[in-house]
Amino acid sequence: AQSVTQLGSHVSVSEGALVLLRCNYSSSVPPYLFWYVQYPNQGLQLLLKYTSAATLVKGINGFEAEFKKSETSFHLTKPSAHMRDAAEYFCAVSSTYSSYKLIFGSGTRLLVRP
Amino acid sequence: ETGVTQSPTHLIKTRGQQVTLRCSSQSGHNTVSWYQQALGQGPQFIFQYYREEENGRGNFPPRFSGLQFPNYSSELDVNALELDDSALYLCASSLGGGAAPKGATQYFGPGTRLLVL
Repeated sequence: AQSVTQLGSHVSVSEGALVLLRCNYSSSVPPYLFWYVQYPNQGLQLLLKYTSAATLVKGINGFEAEFKKSETSFHLTKPSAHMRDAAEYFCAVSSTYSSYKLIFGSGTRLLVRP
Repeated sequence: ETGVTQSPTHLIKTRGQQVTLRCSSQSGHNTVSWYQQALGQGPQFIFQYYREEENGRGNFPPRFSGLQFPNYSSELDVNALELDDSALYLCASSLGGGAAPKGATQYFGPGTRLLVL
């Protein structure tokens, strides 16, 4: 079975500050890991994904995430927050054995203060 | 390249009614997955269709059913609507089967927001 835990339902940062959104996963098989962003009243947009190649994954809009197997983590970071980064962020896991269905975390809402 | 589209965007139904939601997959994609996102929660997997066959199902009752058509578009049908069915319904398309890349990305549509009164 696979699962995802996102620590912190809300994260608030100042504009220009580091963004760190936490994601821990559980998987009995090699996982594929994803971060999606959801702006208000919209669908999900892929930020980045890990597919067992490089452990440090770079995505769109300056975001990156590092896969750490020993810690079963896939935290999302961005060096400097922009107001436009305010949104809901979802971490998800899938695998070859589950026909790539996505198991999502409960989400973290990022608030960016001016 | 046309992205994933869904219709309608919003829908209001009453308890006990039936609803059909539609999804057009991204060009070149042969797999469609449906998710339910209740307010304040992450999306929950309903089921997936690959080449017109159901290819995996989440923990949803049989009154949630679906179809995939030869052009890979898809419908989600919900019978006997309940108040708890109020949610955003998301459709995602991807490339599945032998040609699928590792960790094939699912591309999401904008969703259909269903309100059951």
